[in-house]
Amino acid sequence: EVQLVQSGAEVKKPGESLKISCQVSGYSFSNYWIGWVRQMPGKGLEWMGIIYPGDFDTRYSPSFLAQVTISADRSITTAYLQWSSLKASDTAMYYCARHGNGRRGVDSWGQGTLVTVSS
Amino acid sequence: QSALTQPASVSGSPGQSITISCTGTSSDVGGFNYVSWYQQHPGKAPKLMIYDVNNRPSGVSDRFSGSKSGNTASLTISGLQAEDEADYYCSSYTSGSKLGCVFGGGTKLTVL
Repeated sequence: EVQLVQSGAEVKKPGESLKISCQVSGYSFSNYWIGWVRQMPGKGLEWMGIIYPGDFDTRYSPSFLAQVTISADRSITTAYLQWSSLKASDTAMYYCARHGNGRRGVDSWGQGTLVTVSS
Repeated sequence: QSALTQPASVSGSPGQSITISCTGTSSDVGGFNYVSWYQQHPGKAPKLMIYDVNNRPSGVSDRFSGSKSGNTASLTISGLQAEDEADYYCSSYTSGSKLGCVFGGGTKLTVL
């Protein structure tokens, strides 16, 4: 069974750094694109970026380029989403999501990590 | 990359059928058969309901079906039930983005 398990909710202050994680199991981590999706309160789903753990090819949505860093550790089958300096506007739910084979869309989702940024 | 266009809301009574549209371009919906649909209940992660335009994953009710015509994909839910009330998102492969995937803006389904 494919599983994506995300780290727990975070409460941070503006300017702080943060790294959230998504540990996967039940499939070959290296062979599927995995990405991060933002959902702001009451809003829709937005792709932030994706990574291919096999060769660490990483792609960002223009809206998130230079705002976050996506990485992966094959030894522990975990993907990461990182901020160096959080803003209040980063308050949102963040989902990791696995792309299906080839050009298929997401076929598995993590449970979500709620990030709250407030002074 | 612009989101695919969905109606903000649709509604129907129990037992009825509803259809949610998802309009894109020839660079995404119209050009490829890689449209997916997701159901999201409040406070929950999205759930895959349809993939590759008209395929259902194991365990998804056959009341859910997908189709496509030109640049518009559609999700039809027949025999509406109260538990179908949720937000629905479409997504498509796109040749217009390095990410290769774009979402629709989402549709709120209300079961009257």
